[in-house]
Amino acid sequence: DAGVIQSPRHEVTEMGQEVTLRCKPISGHNSLFWYRQTMMRGLELLIYFNNNVPIDDSGMPEDRFSAKMPNASFSTLKIQPSEPRDSAVYFCASTLGQGWSYGYTFGSGTRLTVV
Amino acid sequence: SQQGEEDPQALSIQEGENATMNCSYKTSINNLQWYRQNSGRGLVHLILIRSNEREKHSGRLRVTLDTSKKSSSLLITASRAADTASYFCATDAWGGGSQGNLIFGKGTKLSVKP
Repeated sequence: DAGVIQSPRHEVTEMGQEVTLRCKPISGHNSLFWYRQTMMRGLELLIYFNNNVPIDDSGMPEDRFSAKMPNASFSTLKIQPSEPRDSAVYFCASTLGQGWSYGYTFGSGTRLTVV
Repeated sequence: SQQGEEDPQALSIQEGENATMNCSYKTSINNLQWYRQNSGRGLVHLILIRSNEREKHSGRLRVTLDTSKKSSSLLITASRAADTASYFCATDAWGGGSQGNLIFGKGTKLSVKP
């Protein structure tokens, strides 16, 4: 398996633009997570899906953020409109079963810069 | 949600020395996990220790868990320059994150000098 695949690796966009981040989890994993990492706040959980259903989205900062998982092999995180404070590295991770039962496999991340 | 404390925040040692990192957590857990992150990369799962286990080994890694003190330690023996990375611990129940996800600490930045 190629691991968790995220795209793009880097994204630079202007304030106000829509940004879409993509993730392909490991085949057979049924839990998927979106995290955001910054120096100030560390790793923050944004949203958690289990069997394609959002279980916990309490970490999504505001209505500008939305996430979907239309099938078991694909998820998107969208920011519309983007703001400079959204600049961060966004990670997708997947795992088997319940979210804490097994180790997570992380993607390489998307470094987002909003100017 | 709240995160646990990791100690120290940064650690610098010479190659060949042992490195010990600690983390503490606030509530009951099902398991505790350790991850490594190299600069500019995603996190890599190192080891998982369940709440009914006290010690676990994997190669040069040794993890202990003391549920009475709500703390864990990661020991890397005979460190190498390639061990230079940030190390994170994560649990399922810090700050109430018990809906099936892990909550990560802020990490210990380890630097191993050749």
